[in-house]
Amino acid sequence: AQSVAQPEDQVNVAEGNPLTVKCTYSVSGNPYLFWYVQYPNRGLQFLLKYITGDNLVKGSYGFEAEFNKSQTSFHLKKPSALVSDSALYFCAVRDRNAGNMLTFGGGTRLMVKP
Amino acid sequence: GAGVSQSPSNKVTEKGKDVELRCDPISGHTALYWYRQSLGQGLEFLIYFQGNSAPDKSGLPSDRFSAERTGGSVSTLTIQRTQQEDSAVYLCASSLVSGRASEQFFGPGTRLTVL
Repeated sequence: AQSVAQPEDQVNVAEGNPLTVKCTYSVSGNPYLFWYVQYPNRGLQFLLKYITGDNLVKGSYGFEAEFNKSQTSFHLKKPSALVSDSALYFCAVRDRNAGNMLTFGGGTRLMVKP
Repeated sequence: GAGVSQSPSNKVTEKGKDVELRCDPISGHTALYWYRQSLGQGLEFLIYFQGNSAPDKSGLPSDRFSAERTGGSVSTLTIQRTQQEDSAVYLCASSLVSGRASEQFFGPGTRLTVL
């Protein structure tokens, strides 16, 4: 079975400060990892993914995420937060070798204050 | 339109009635997925289509739920004899191929309210 944990329901950060949204995962094999963002009354938008290779993945809107195999983590980061980054963020995992199901974490609400 | 579209955007129904939710994937996308997003439950996988066949129905919560896809394009999720616990946002997603590394593109969802 595969699972994703996002330990923080909400993250608050001041505009211009760096932000981190945490994600840890569990799969039996090797993972494909994804981050999605959901703005109010809208569907999920793909931000970035880790497949293989460089552990630091860069994605849309200046976001990046670092894959850490030993800690089974894939934290989302941005050097300087914008108020417009305020949204709900979901981490997701898929086992490379089993099934087609994408398993999502419970989501983290990011609030960026001016 | 270039994105995944879903209809209706909102559906209010009475307990016991049947509902149909529609998804139009991005043109050319072979894989299609249905998820359910409930308050406090996160995103729950329901079913996956590759072309018109559904190799993975493992997430359907009960036999009241069914889905079909025709012409490798439009998909319909049907919920029979709706219950109040079916109230949720139903999200559809598509991807160009079914490979596990492919990202999925999501529609805006259908908000279902069962009274």
